[in-house]
Amino acid sequence: DAKTTQPNSMESNEEEPVHLPCNHSTISGTDYIHWYRQLPSQGPEYVIHGLTSNVNNRMASLAIAEDRKSSTLILHRATLRDAAVYYCILLLGSSGGSNYKLTFGKGTLLTVNP
Amino acid sequence: DAGITQSPRYKITETGRQVTLMCHQTWSHSYMFWYRQDLGHGLRLIYYSAAADITDKGEVPDGYVVSRSKTENFPLTLESATRSQTSVYFCASSGRISPPGELFFGEGSRLTVL
Repeated sequence: DAKTTQPNSMESNEEEPVHLPCNHSTISGTDYIHWYRQLPSQGPEYVIHGLTSNVNNRMASLAIAEDRKSSTLILHRATLRDAAVYYCILLLGSSGGSNYKLTFGKGTLLTVNP
Repeated sequence: DAGITQSPRYKITETGRQVTLMCHQTWSHSYMFWYRQDLGHGLRLIYYSAAADITDKGEVPDGYVVSRSKTENFPLTLESATRSQTSVYFCASSGRISPPGELFFGEGSRLTVL
């Protein structure tokens, strides 16, 4: 299974942009890049996903490298409510429910300073 | 209310007792999942279900039993609880996995086995 590598922790200041990196050098052509985040004492929540092109939604932007071996989740203006653990995972485009056997890993703990 | 709900949110039990964690979703999603989250291990898949009466094992199924007689419910049973099953359990659902869609998580059930 393709793996992802993320920094253990990052720190940001409120109202500043945050760039959360993820390396996935063994990604295959059919792997989708998904990002989730988990706020303290809550279940994970979906943030964004993409395949090849950069993606934007109301929560964040996802920038995918041309060779797809890395991606960056961009929070344009961090708020205190963005403090969470961010997970980058790869999901196969067509493998059924066994796709989700992937462990979410430890993710990146984002601290936002006021 | 629409969404995915888990019950109980907190449970303390003793070794050897049977415990059932309930999961209910109102979206009629086909796919449902049970994860456990432990410090140092991230989220690990226990069981998943592609539809009513269709279930399959995840990464860590030993000691757990699931059933899915109705689309909206996916209970997880620990037939004889052990201390190693002390964990936070998350249920999730998805309307699509090929290509992979968003996973919606419940708020979690914190189980302590004494």
